[in-house]
Amino acid sequence: NAGVTQTPKFRILKIGQSMTLQCAQDMNHNYMYWYRQDPGMGLKLIYYSVGAGITDKGEVPNGYNVSRSTTEDFPLRLELAAPSQTSVYFCASRDSRQNIQYFGAGTRLSVL
Amino acid sequence: RKEVEQDPGPFNVPEGATVAFNCTYSNSASQSFFWYRQDCRKEPKLLMSVYSSGNEDGRFTAQLNRASQYISLLIRDSKLSDSATYLCVVANYNQGGKLIFGQGTELSVKP
Repeated sequence: NAGVTQTPKFRILKIGQSMTLQCAQDMNHNYMYWYRQDPGMGLKLIYYSVGAGITDKGEVPNGYNVSRSTTEDFPLRLELAAPSQTSVYFCASRDSRQNIQYFGAGTRLSVL
Repeated sequence: RKEVEQDPGPFNVPEGATVAFNCTYSNSASQSFFWYRQDCRKEPKLLMSVYSSGNEDGRFTAQLNRASQYISLLIRDSKLSDSATYLCVVANYNQGGKLIFGQGTELSVKP
């Protein structure tokens, strides 16, 4: 029962480096989301996708990019990492017929 | 004003206590309402959906008042295992189904 899988689990980046956070789901869900969670805060939406080939900005998209070439995968790209991007990143997916989002286990990113 | 606001925590209660969490939301067009539970450094997991008629799941009762834009969660006979952060979540499916999260209220149940 894989569900939503995120890799890596942890990562330390230097300022200015780039990386891609991977997210894959095996539930054939159309909707996928990327959130970030800063300490003591709720989750904030970065980007979302309603299907392959379609993406849209969320609440805090600056400094990030996404793509959705397949239904299964929704990678999040950081081009020039900044200390303000230190956070825990959660990917989620949802079936179009349900109201429930399923979350991955998260990626803990530190930018030093 | 935040779109979803919750009681500031933490709540520290003894085992067996009843504890209530409150939440308000600002967007009257919101369509779906949830309580999620998040354990330390883990992903949020759905605890229960919230319906206008009120709903109960064992020791947990959720209420929604659309007129007041208010959501509540009541936990009865609290257990040590209930210790977690409880997130009030609101969704408007005209906006791609994105969830709007409150900041969470931490609950610590002590022996």
